[in-house]
Amino acid sequence: DVKVTQSSRYLVKRTGEKVFLECVQDMDHENMFWYRQDPGLGLRLIYFSYDVKMKEKGDIPEGYSVSREKKERFSLILESASTNQTSMYLCASQNDRGNSPLHFGNGTRLTVT
Amino acid sequence: GESVGLHLPTLSVQEGDNSIINCAYSNSASDYFIWYKQESGKGPQFIIDIRSNMDKRQGQRVTVLLNKTVKHLSLQIAATQPGDSAVYFCAENINSGYSTLTFGKGTMLLVSP
Repeated sequence: DVKVTQSSRYLVKRTGEKVFLECVQDMDHENMFWYRQDPGLGLRLIYFSYDVKMKEKGDIPEGYSVSREKKERFSLILESASTNQTSMYLCASQNDRGNSPLHFGNGTRLTVT
Repeated sequence: GESVGLHLPTLSVQEGDNSIINCAYSNSASDYFIWYKQESGKGPQFIIDIRSNMDKRQGQRVTVLLNKTVKHLSLQIAATQPGDSAVYFCAENINSGYSTLTFGKGTMLLVSP
């Protein structure tokens, strides 16, 4: 089974802090994704990557950046956390482009105070 | 528990009943569809997928039906169990280049013993 591991289940950060959310997958998947999930809004794509050192903006990239230095690891960075970034963050991986399912981690619940 | 279930339509069934969860997708060009299950405190879990060249696909206790004419997807769960209680949502993909999945908002399924 594919395993996608997010380093933290819960995080509490202060406004203005730089925040790193880490994600690792163990199936040698090319594609990795970061989503946020909010009540009433569903899953919204922040950034994705189809290869090492490659990144593409999703639907809501503002306030975020990403890093993919190794194939198995995809990091989400909040340069200066704000309260409206309080959310559930979900990482996913996929083994090719668009015709196979995404496999998700269990999420990181981030609270920005 | 997590708040992913707030604001969602809810389907309540008795244990042993068959459940049908519906999804209207948005793009007539979408050619790949997935159903996910999300339990409280966990990430979305892949259930079953279907490509647009099929009308029906069966898995273990689950069946997905695709009606391209009216852009409708349904998930049928046979002999529903309390462990099936979760949020279920569909995703669609337009398989062109670097397209990504678009997720529905979800339906909460509550199974009573």
